[in-house]
Amino acid sequence: NAGVTQTPKFQVLKTGQSMTLQCAQDMNHNSMYWYRQDPGMGLRLIYYSASEGTTDKGEVPNGYNVSRLNKREFSLRLESAAPSQTSVYFCASSVDGGRNQPQHFGDGTRLSIL
Amino acid sequence: DQQVKQNSPSLSVQEGRISILNCDYTNSMFDYFLWYKKYPAEGPTFLISISSIKDKNEDGRFTVFLNKSAKHLSLHIVPSQPGDSAVYFCAWRDDNAGNMLTFGGGTRLMVKP
Repeated sequence: NAGVTQTPKFQVLKTGQSMTLQCAQDMNHNSMYWYRQDPGMGLRLIYYSASEGTTDKGEVPNGYNVSRLNKREFSLRLESAAPSQTSVYFCASSVDGGRNQPQHFGDGTRLSIL
Repeated sequence: DQQVKQNSPSLSVQEGRISILNCDYTNSMFDYFLWYKKYPAEGPTFLISISSIKDKNEDGRFTVFLNKSAKHLSLHIVPSQPGDSAVYFCAWRDDNAGNMLTFGGGTRLMVKP
């Protein structure tokens, strides 16, 4: 019952360091997403991949890059981390963009940037 | 652009009573709204959805009501149980943009035994 798996669960970085957050799903879903959640706020979409080989910007893409490595994996990269990127990052997947197909979420990566 | 707002950051309810969580939106054009539930240190889990062509959807103890004229939806939990204590998010799904979700800020529900 793995579902959506995110690694690592916690990470502390220094300003300017780079890092890649990993996400993998075992549900054969076509679409994958990266969100961030800041205290007292809802989740905000960073990037998404509607299908293997495609990626698109979401609401807050600045400072991030993504790679849809294959159907299972969707990674999020911070090239030069900034304190404003301290957040909890959630990866999600769904079957496709069809109607009434909810997204399934991982348990998050807690990232602190000093 | 669609904005989704949950104006009550928290709600406290006695076990067995009804919990009502509210959500307002700005854009009349939508296909689906979804409710997600989130426990600490876990990702959100899908609870229930409603399409724009309905005014009510029910699943067990959970019912979502949609009032299109007021641009308002609400989630009713009856009867409330201590295990329902969590943060609840209302989210709009954009079916024209890869199924992406726009979330409200969430309401923390506390159900007291």
